[in-house]
Amino acid sequence: NAGVTQTPKFQVLKTGQSMTLQCAQDMNHNSMYWYRQDPGMGLRLIYYSASEGTTDKGEVPNGYNVSRLNKREFSLRLESAAPSQTSVYFCASSRSLLQTRSYGYTFGSGTRLTVV
Amino acid sequence: GQQVMQIPQYQHVQEGEDFTTYCNSSTTLSNIQWYKQRPGGHPVFLIQLVKSGEVKKQKRLTFQFGEAKKNSSLHITATQTTDVGTYFCAGYGGYQKVTFGIGTKLQVIP
Repeated sequence: NAGVTQTPKFQVLKTGQSMTLQCAQDMNHNSMYWYRQDPGMGLRLIYYSASEGTTDKGEVPNGYNVSRLNKREFSLRLESAAPSQTSVYFCASSRSLLQTRSYGYTFGSGTRLTVV
Repeated sequence: GQQVMQIPQYQHVQEGEDFTTYCNSSTTLSNIQWYKQRPGGHPVFLIQLVKSGEVKKQKRLTFQFGEAKKNSSLHITATQTTDVGTYFCAGYGGYQKVTFGIGTKLQVIP
C-alpha cells in the first residue's frame, strides 16, 4: 500500500529556477493538500483541492501554483524559486473535506527543498 | 480567522513520566485531529475526536475533546523513548479550513 507518494525527496534549486513537486495517492481520496513546514512555524497550508476539478488557496499561496491533474494526482509548481521557499513540503490527502467535518490526513514522506 | 494554540512548544521528560499537550481554539470546532511526527519523518494521523466531551484511548495515549469543543488534550502515561517526536493537533471549524497547531516537541530522556 503506497498511500501518498511524493517526488522528489530532495531538491536544490538556484534562485529563479522553476520546478514541479509531484504527488499521487492511491486511496481513492477526494481531497488533496500541499503544506510547507518550517522550524517554529508548524504546518502551513499552501493550496488544497477539496475535490477533483477544484483548487483553492490556503494560508501561504504566493509564489506557488497547483494542478489537480486527476483524482489521484496533485502537483505544486514553483515558477521562480526564492530562498524564502526553502522548506520541507508535504502533500496530503483525505477522504473528503465537507462543510461540517473533515477526515484524517495521510501525508507523503515530504520533499526537502533548498533554494540557494 | 480560526486560530489553534498549542502548548507547550517543547517538553523534556524522564522516561516513565507522564506528558500532556494542550490545544485551544479561538472558535468552536467541528472536530479535532491529532498527529505524530517522528524526527525526520512525516505527520502520521493518530485519532479524530468529534463529540463534545469525547475521550478516546490508544494504549498509553488518552485524547480528550472539551465540552465546548474549543480545546483538546493528549496525555501519554509512562512515556517511552519510542514516544519521541512532535505532536500536532488540527482543528476543523468548517468552511474547508483545517488549522494545525504549532506542535509540541517531546524529548524523552532514558
